[in-house]
Amino acid sequence: AQSVTQLDSQVPVFEEAPVELRCNYSSSVSVYLFWYVQYPNQGLQLLLKYLSGSTLVKGINGFEAEFNKSQTSFHLRKPSVHISDTAEYFCAVSVDAGNMLTFGGGTRLMVKP
Amino acid sequence: DVKVTQSSRYLVKRTGEKVFLECVQDMDHENMFWYRQDPGLGLRLIYFSYDVKMKEKGDIPEGYSVSREKKERFSLILESASTNQTSMYLCASSLLYEKLFFGSGTQLSVL
Repeated sequence: AQSVTQLDSQVPVFEEAPVELRCNYSSSVSVYLFWYVQYPNQGLQLLLKYLSGSTLVKGINGFEAEFNKSQTSFHLRKPSVHISDTAEYFCAVSVDAGNMLTFGGGTRLMVKP
Repeated sequence: DVKVTQSSRYLVKRTGEKVFLECVQDMDHENMFWYRQDPGLGLRLIYFSYDVKMKEKGDIPEGYSVSREKKERFSLILESASTNQTSMYLCASSLLYEKLFFGSGTQLSVL
């Protein structure tokens, strides 16, 4: 079975500052990795995903993530955040390319003016 | 745009009641899922379905059942609601091996 750990439950950051949301996973088999975002009072939507190929993945809204197999990590980064990035971010893993997802506990990103 | 609609945004029920949560998707997706979302625990899969009348247990199926009589509709049933089932319930749908589309959620309170 696989598991996902999001190391920070909350990340406060000032507007226009860079941010990194950390995600580590464990699995005995190869995995596919995802970041989903949940804006207030909305469902989750896909931010980006890693299936294969380049370990640096670019997503929507200027976010990117890097798959590091040796460190079993998939950290999410953005060089300059906006107030509108305030949301909860979920890292997820799958062994079947996306249907059966195991989610982490979530990280609440709070962007302050 | 794909739309996944959950019938209620907020629901308040009493302990022991039978509760139905409804979910409808409009994109002819084969797969449908029910998750519950709790602070600090993220999303946990309750049940999923790959086809009409087909269902599979997820990670936490105890106390829940599901029904999928039509492709577009996936219902979650709490046979006898308990206070530990107070949670946010999220429905999702997808094509095979494609991204999930989520509904806005139903916040269920069991008193």
